[in-house]
Amino acid sequence: DIQMTQSPSSLSASVGDRVTITCRASQSISRYLNWYQQKPGKAPKLLIYAASSLQSGVPSRFSGSGSGTDFTLTISSLQPEDFATYYCQQGHSTPITFGQGTRLEIK
Amino acid sequence: QVQLVQSGAEVKKPGASVKVSCKASGYTFTSHGISWVRQAPGQGLEWMGWISAHNGITNTAQKFRDRVTMARDTSTNTAYMELRSLRSDDTAVYYCARDPSKITPGDCDYWGQGTLVTVSS
Repeated sequence: DIQMTQSPSSLSASVGDRVTITCRASQSISRYLNWYQQKPGKAPKLLIYAASSLQSGVPSRFSGSGSGTDFTLTISSLQPEDFATYYCQQGHSTPITFGQGTRLEIK
Repeated sequence: QVQLVQSGAEVKKPGASVKVSCKASGYTFTSHGISWVRQAPGQGLEWMGWISAHNGITNTAQKFRDRVTMARDTSTNTAYMELRSLRSDDTAVYYCARDPSKITPGDCDYWGQGTLVTVSS
């Protein structure tokens, strides 16, 4: 199975900050990497697919980059509604696997 | 708009089975797949498996292969996931999610609201 490792596991930041979350795959996954946002008690929401493509309706302050084994999710200017948990997910091969999550908290 | 509406919360005893449904609307059901993902309390996301709504072909994670059955009913645009021989560590929220592909699993672009399954004696 492909292991997905996110860092950091948690992060404190302020509104307006630029934030970067990283995700590393245990083997090359090309660009088969998605990012999700999950708020407490809610289902995950797809933000970024194929490493860098913005899902329809997602604000442009979210961006993704990377290929192979190393990927990043960047939020250019944090808004109050962005405080949530973020997961990466590889869709290169089954079983599909997720990172352990990064909890983004208000400083 | 795409909607996935799941069945309600369940409480089951250890050893029992649970069947969760996921009714799709707002898109052509048979042009996509459905993945099942679970989340134990306070934990991360775990993929269980995928079914093509087009032809019913499934792809199940090894961990669940002997306990999970996935099915779909194209007449009602509904997908089902049955988990057998329940244990306390199966207590989780179970999500269905649409996959853009009907051929192979990969992405989850729309999610159901989740179904809490509690396993307790």
